[in-house]
Amino acid sequence: SQTIHQWPATLVQPVGSPLSLECTVEGTSNPNLYWYRQAAGRGLQLLFYSVGIGQISSEVPQNLSASRPQDRQFILSSKKLLLSDSGFYLCAWSAGRVTLHFGNGTRLTVT
Amino acid sequence: QQPVQSPQAVILREGEDAVINCSSSKALYSVHWYRQKHGEAPVFLMILLKGGEQMRHEKISASFNEKKQQSSLYLTASQLSYSGTYFCGTEGMSGSARQLTFGSGTQLTVLP
Repeated sequence: SQTIHQWPATLVQPVGSPLSLECTVEGTSNPNLYWYRQAAGRGLQLLFYSVGIGQISSEVPQNLSASRPQDRQFILSSKKLLLSDSGFYLCAWSAGRVTLHFGNGTRLTVT
Repeated sequence: QQPVQSPQAVILREGEDAVINCSSSKALYSVHWYRQKHGEAPVFLMILLKGGEQMRHEKISASFNEKKQQSSLYLTASQLSYSGTYFCGTEGMSGSARQLTFGSGTQLTVLP
């Protein structure tokens, strides 16, 4: 069966510090991978999605970036965090149809 | 464009019914429904495809009116475990979209 791992679960970072969130998927090949962000009490905002290694599509201009160095690995990064980057970050995968399977999320607080 | 969900929030007693609506301004190929409990990741409930049938997940069912570009989620005889935020996600008509556009969510609270 397929599983998705996302870490860390929680993170507190000062403004201006770098960020690296990692997500890996097991049990499937060539998944579509996604990063979503959810502000407190808000909906799901798509940040990036990837249909293959090195292929990244950005939905929202921001100071975040994503990379997919391996087929089942998706990384979300920032060189300098802003207060507005705080939120709940969710990695997800899909195969074929666009039904999403989410990881457990990372709660990021920028102080 | 983001689909519009209504109501934004609903409170009901255990055993009561509720309907959550999702409306889009563009033609849709599919509508997905997810439920998110507080502090957790969203969980897939069901997908409704263009030309497909009404779907069901336990006592939760959903319909998709392609002409009106609307979907409704029906929660029958609600249970305490149904509490959470429900999101609809829409896929455009091409059918080859790689991403969903989510509504802002409907917060459902079921009281004993």
